[in-house]
Amino acid sequence: AQSVTQLDSQVPVFEEAPVELRCNYSSSVSVYLFWYVQYPNQGLQLLLKYLSGSTLVKGINGFEAEFNKSQTSFHLRKPSVHISDTAEYFCAVSDSQTSYDKVIFGPGTSLSVIP
Amino acid sequence: EADIYQTPRYLVIGTGKKITLECSQTMGHDKMYWYQQDPGMELHLIHYSYGVNSTEKGDLSSESTVSRIRTEHFPLTLESARPSHTSQYLCASSSTSGPGELFFGEGSRLTVL
Repeated sequence: AQSVTQLDSQVPVFEEAPVELRCNYSSSVSVYLFWYVQYPNQGLQLLLKYLSGSTLVKGINGFEAEFNKSQTSFHLRKPSVHISDTAEYFCAVSDSQTSYDKVIFGPGTSLSVIP
Repeated sequence: EADIYQTPRYLVIGTGKKITLECSQTMGHDKMYWYQQDPGMELHLIHYSYGVNSTEKGDLSSESTVSRIRTEHFPLTLESARPSHTSQYLCASSSTSGPGELFFGEGSRLTVL
């Protein structure tokens, strides 16, 4: 069965500093990987996704993530954060060979940007 | 902008009441989903649908039921609400053309007293 681990439940970071949010997954088959963001009192929206090809994926709002198959990781990075990046971030995985519609989410990482 | 709407956004009701959470999308997506989200916890899939008259249980057991009579509409019903049903419920949809983006509504936060 697939599962997603987000190692940090809360990440405080100063404005304009870099940030990395960690994500590891477990799966015995090829996967698709996603990062979603949830702003307060809103639904989730897609930041970026890895389906195939280049392991470095660029998303919206200056975020990027790197797929590392050997380490089963998909860490999210941003070189300089803004106050507006304060939100909950969810890593997610789906099985590329069968039911890719079923997306499994991690527990989320709460990013707090400090002025 | 995603066009998927949930009502009500917030609902406080007493134990034993029947409730229906509405979800509608205007994108023509065949696939729709209901997730349950508790604070600080991951989202759990409770129901999904591949199209009209198709409904399936998700990975998390739920006493709720769903229906899919129209493509754009995927309501969730609790026949008799209990305090254990207190949670946030998120509706989502996706297109049929392959893996990728789930479009989420803003959620319905249910509190059962």
